[in-house]
Amino acid sequence: NAGVTQTPKFQVLKTGQSMTLQCAQDMNHNSMYWYRQDPGMGLRLIYYSASEGTTDKGEVPNGYNVSRLNKREFSLRLESAAPSQTSVYFCASSEGGSLYGYTFGSGTRLTVV
Amino acid sequence: AQSVTQPDIHITVSEGASLELRCNYSYGATPYLFWYVQSPGQGLQLLLKYFSGDTLVQGIKGFEAEFKRSQSSFNLRKPSVHWSDAAEYFCAVTTSGTYKYIFGTGTRLKVLA
Repeated sequence: NAGVTQTPKFQVLKTGQSMTLQCAQDMNHNSMYWYRQDPGMGLRLIYYSASEGTTDKGEVPNGYNVSRLNKREFSLRLESAAPSQTSVYFCASSEGGSLYGYTFGSGTRLTVV
Repeated sequence: AQSVTQPDIHITVSEGASLELRCNYSYGATPYLFWYVQSPGQGLQLLLKYFSGDTLVQGIKGFEAEFKRSQSSFNLRKPSVHWSDAAEYFCAVTTSGTYKYIFGTGTRLKVLA
């Protein structure tokens, strides 16, 4: 079982470059999420998609956009990367809301120089 | 304000010793509590969750947690730690009808052989 698959695993960007982080799940989950993890700050929600066709902002949405391409895929786009976006990004999915618990991907380590 | 506090940033125990990781929460609505574990280089994995009923809940990998409403705590325990338990542990709180967690900042566990 693949679960939640994120690509790429590592990425280095120059300030101002753009990129898209990809996420796909094969568990037929309705909801998908993007988090960033920074030392000493735990995990912070960037955007989520409660169901196919919907997206909503989380705690730290500035500088990011998302697309729920279909039920399986949820991408995160950085239009103009900044050093403050250096982080580890996690995609997660769940059957419904937070009470179901999340299944996380293994993360994308992004460095912006 | 809603928050989750994990007072211990780092904990070191010897293999075979017992373990208790602390979690305190402040939440206005009925809390639903979770513990997740993150092994190095991996995403988070759900260990256990508490919704209601018996205040002692069992999870995977031999972990258990006790909910104490009077102390606003949800501490994670394991009777005998194995070297493979070395990881970072996150406590989280949510409520019904939402897609968002509040995560603690994590406790990093080191296990001595």
